[in-house]
Amino acid sequence: ETGVTQTPRHLVMGMTNKKSLKCEQHLGHNAMYWYKQSAKKPLELMFVYNFKEQTENNSVPSRFSPECPNSSHLFLHLHTLQPEDSALYLCASSQASGPQETQYFGPGTRLLVL
Amino acid sequence: KQEVTQIPAALSVPEGENLVLNCSFTDSAIYNLQWFRQDPGKGLTSLLLIQSSQREQTSGRLNASLDKSSGRSTLYIAASQPGDSATYLCAVRPRGSSNTGKLIFGQGTTLQVKP
Repeated sequence: ETGVTQTPRHLVMGMTNKKSLKCEQHLGHNAMYWYKQSAKKPLELMFVYNFKEQTENNSVPSRFSPECPNSSHLFLHLHTLQPEDSALYLCASSQASGPQETQYFGPGTRLLVL
Repeated sequence: KQEVTQIPAALSVPEGENLVLNCSFTDSAIYNLQWFRQDPGKGLTSLLLIQSSQREQTSGRLNASLDKSSGRSTLYIAASQPGDSATYLCAVRPRGSSNTGKLIFGQGTTLQVKP
């Protein structure tokens, strides 16, 4: 596998379910990100991890819980979600390199909350 | 608060046309600006990155310009092809975000190039 991978690609869950999204980067990067992309809204940054430490939490509700066990893996644990949480969840990674730093994105997990 | 706006929201052109996508941002204190491409149901691919000290970047048929003082960037696509059909996203990295790599995105322009 190369680049940034995400599993599952599609997920349907009820509001009382607990599920987890997984992201893995094979690029040797030291930063990882979760974004939410809803219809007709700009891509929203949710969390940032640098060297496994969370450095940004963009006022995300506590029903979303990130976990970064090492610099290659990032999880997003979901519980008691709402229908408005249905969206495409994108993971990205980057190597801190100053003004030239580029983020590499995974294909996303399409989440539907019923 | 930094806001990024992209105009138009959607664009349909015949194959072979040259076209310009627009991006504006409200705060000129940026580290860099990037243009991304997103195909339906897929992640984003970085096309061009312009540092705050630069005026433009070119890659193949793509040329991106940056006017930081006016808060504007354009993405120029020459001789458009059906394969260029996708959503194009503009994102700025605010100055002061060097430790987080934080990006602020526009809503995107969805481009359709008709054969």
